[in-house]
Amino acid sequence: AQSVTQLDSHVSVSEGTPVLLRCNYSSSYSPSLFWYVQHPNKGLQLLLKYTSAATLVKGINGFEAEFKKSETSFHLTKPSAHMSDAAEYFCVVSPETGGNQFYFGTGTSLTVIP
Amino acid sequence: DADVTQTPRNRITKTGKRIMLECSQTKGHDRMYWYRQDPGLGLRLIYYSFDVKDINKGEISDGYSVSRQAQAKFSLSLESAIPNQTALYFCATSDTRTGTSNQPQHFGDGTRLSIL
Repeated sequence: AQSVTQLDSHVSVSEGTPVLLRCNYSSSYSPSLFWYVQHPNKGLQLLLKYTSAATLVKGINGFEAEFKKSETSFHLTKPSAHMSDAAEYFCVVSPETGGNQFYFGTGTSLTVIP
Repeated sequence: DADVTQTPRNRITKTGKRIMLECSQTKGHDRMYWYRQDPGLGLRLIYYSFDVKDINKGEISDGYSVSRQAQAKFSLSLESAIPNQTALYFCATSDTRTGTSNQPQHFGDGTRLSIL
């Protein structure tokens, strides 16, 4: 069975400090993993994806994530938060069965304090 | 122009009414999806379509129906709307034609539906 757990429903950081959004997954197969960002009144935008290449994945806007198979984790990080990073973030897993199914975490709301 | 366009963006209607939400895409992707988003629940899959003649139920299809009129169009209908269908609805597409598995999804900006 496939599932995604985002360990924090809300994260609050000060501008200029690091961001860590945590995601753990379970998957019966070698998965592909994605992080999406959702700004108010907008759809989900792809930040980055892992598809069995390099385990450290760089995305847009300075975000990156590291795939750790032994920990079944795919945490999202950014060295220095910007006010424009305030949004909802979703971790998504897709098992590599060719079925193109996607399983969403419940989201983490990031607040950036000036 | 947006690659995935949803109409309407907002809709308020009454219980028992039939509602149709529309989605069109210019990306040429083969797969299309409908999700609903509720606070604290993330996105839940309603229906998905692998191609024009291939429609599949998702996690929460009861009370909904879909139509894939063309590769570029995928509409979602609520036959008789009820208040607990009040939610934010998203259409998404993905492309399996490249031959590589698990290409990411591309989302529209959503339809905010309120049922009174």
